[in-house]
Amino acid sequence: ETGVTQTPRHLVMGMTNKKSLKCEQHLGHNAMYWYKQSAKKPLELMFVYNFKEQTENNSVPSRFSPECPNSSHLFLHLHTLQPEDSALYLCASSHTDLSYGYTFGSGTRLTVV
Amino acid sequence: AQKITQTQPGMFVQEKEAVTLDCTYDTSDPSYGLFWYKQPSSGEMIFLIYQGSYDQQNATEGRYSLNFQKARKSANLVISASQLGDSAMYFCAMRAGGAAGNKLTFGGGTRVLVKP
Repeated sequence: ETGVTQTPRHLVMGMTNKKSLKCEQHLGHNAMYWYKQSAKKPLELMFVYNFKEQTENNSVPSRFSPECPNSSHLFLHLHTLQPEDSALYLCASSHTDLSYGYTFGSGTRLTVV
Repeated sequence: AQKITQTQPGMFVQEKEAVTLDCTYDTSDPSYGLFWYKQPSSGEMIFLIYQGSYDQQNATEGRYSLNFQKARKSANLVISASQLGDSAMYFCAMRAGGAAGNKLTFGGGTRVLVKP
């Protein structure tokens, strides 16, 4: 148990489905992040939230919609995805201090069929 | 802009031997943190070790040590007495302020396979 919990661990969805990924942390961190990790590609930072406010969106297509209702929970709503969106989606949280790294969840392995 | 470079895409190491994973970084910010993470095939990213830019001594955590050479902007990870469970992807990362916006930037990773 890393302190950051992601559900579900695995998800298979059709291109017309709507699903949501959930991330939860009770570490007292004030920043939360979504990353995408595709095969043979570097980690891609998708969204950043600081104190529940979105502070970064790295040109992510609108079929990915994040939501941060409070500083402990982060969602990624998915709709009309493409097969190339199949990847490992990692959630992380951190303090804002530079001396702290990120604590990651175990990830959701998403397959779009 | 800040950048992390890991030049070794993959490497084999014999069980019980030491292995060094290379990492170089680039930042114009004088204050930064350097991190190493391990990612087994299951996918989770596991924090291994941290080095602050103002730390005078190299960081150590059990079998992990960080060879920090500030002038050369390198932060190599040394794993001593390799075990089969060390087989994984290893990522070097940096967190800097200023224009970097305090975000964690990752290198491309090095895949390590430990042979029995």
